Amino acid sequence: NAGVMQNPRHLVRRRGQEARLRCSPMKGHSHVYWYRQLPEEGLKFMVYLQKENIIDESGMPKERFSAEFPKEGPSILRIQQVVRGDSAAYFCASSPITDGDEQYFGPGTRLTVT
Amino acid sequence: AQRVTQPEKLLSVFKGAPVELKCNYSYSGSPELFWYVQYSRQRLQLLLRHISRESIKGFTADLNKGETSFHLKKPFAQEEDSAMYYCALSGRTGFQKLVFGTGTRLLVSP
Repeated sequence: NAGVMQNPRHLVRRRGQEARLRCSPMKGHSHVYWYRQLPEEGLKFMVYLQKENIIDESGMPKERFSAEFPKEGPSILRIQQVVRGDSAAYFCASSPITDGDEQYFGPGTRLTVT
Repeated sequence: AQRVTQPEKLLSVFKGAPVELKCNYSYSGSPELFWYVQYSRQRLQLLLRHISRESIKGFTADLNKGETSFHLKKPFAQEEDSAMYYCALSGRTGFQKLVFGTGTRLLVSP
């Protein structure tokens, strides 16, 4: 089991472009969480998804950010019209079928907006 | 409001010295508390959780509800303990929406 995979590991975008971050959960895991870490801060919860469902998006900015976890394929965090303040490390975690299980983290994607 | 506070950004000790990484929390209810660790060039991983009451790599942490603290302790630090440590909590709402502290970097010198 290769663990949670995230790609790309580093992403550079100019202001106004779109950023797509991908997360493949561990085999057998159907829960995905996205967190954002701004410089000098801790990880902050953004969104919790199960296959084809958004369960909790209370941490997502109201505009420009969206997330999905389709029936097939990885979970995608999409940021439209990126701004400098979106520069951060974005971490994905997955957990097994049962709620409340341990979350396993991916290596993160570092987004830099120039 | 849910909050986790780690007052120290950096803790520097010598090998063999005791270590205590502080964590205080605020939560209206009975949270579950965790310590995560991130070694250099590795991903964040769970070190221990309060409900398991285990000692992992010589580290222990006791939940003190009166002081709302969950400090991480080790009696004799090793160089390989050098890493970033994050305290986190989740509410008992059926899934783990983790709230993290800002982290403490532990540096163990020979």
